[in-house]
Amino acid sequence: AQSVTQLGSHVSVSEGALVLLRCNYSSSVPPYLFWYVQYPNQGLQLLLKYTSAATLVKGINGFEAEFKKSETSFHLTKPSAHMSDAAEYFCAVTSYGQNFVFGPGTRLSVLP
Amino acid sequence: ETGVTQSPTHLIKTRGQQVTLRCSSQSGHNTVSWYQQALGQGPQFIFQYYREEENGRGNFPPRFSGLQFPNYSSELNVNALELDDSALYLCASSLVAGGDTDTQYFGPGTRLTVL
Repeated sequence: AQSVTQLGSHVSVSEGALVLLRCNYSSSVPPYLFWYVQYPNQGLQLLLKYTSAATLVKGINGFEAEFKKSETSFHLTKPSAHMSDAAEYFCAVTSYGQNFVFGPGTRLSVLP
Repeated sequence: ETGVTQSPTHLIKTRGQQVTLRCSSQSGHNTVSWYQQALGQGPQFIFQYYREEENGRGNFPPRFSGLQFPNYSSELNVNALELDDSALYLCASSLVAGGDTDTQYFGPGTRLTVL
């Protein structure tokens, strides 16, 4: 079975600071990995995805993530946080013929 | 290109009632998945429909059922509602070709409150 853990249910950063949201996965087969963002009272919006091509994936809004097989990680980063980045972030794993499994989410707060 | 839409946006029901939620897939997509997102949690997979047939189910009881129509729109039906069914219900559509996995695109969700 596949699973996702996200270390830190709540992360606070200052505006302009580095954003680092952690995601570790468990999968017995090659995974596809995703990061989604959810703003209050809205659905999930795709930020980026890894599907076995380049290990460093660039997404929307300046976010990127690096797939590290040896660490079973897919951490999300952004060099400089903006107030509009405040939201809930979800990491998800799937693979060929499997359903999506989401992590519990990390709430990002951006302080002025 | 039309995105995923869901209706209604909000719904209030009482225990024991039945509810139907609706989802229209993104144009060109053939697969619909439904998720339940309780407050403060990640989405939990309910089931998926591919070409009008159930194609995977999560750990939800049979009172959660669904349909997919020839135009790939979908319904989620929940019978005998319980208080714990209160949640945001998300629909996601994707294009699955040859059994491969593709990105899921989410609708805005339906907020169900059971009193």
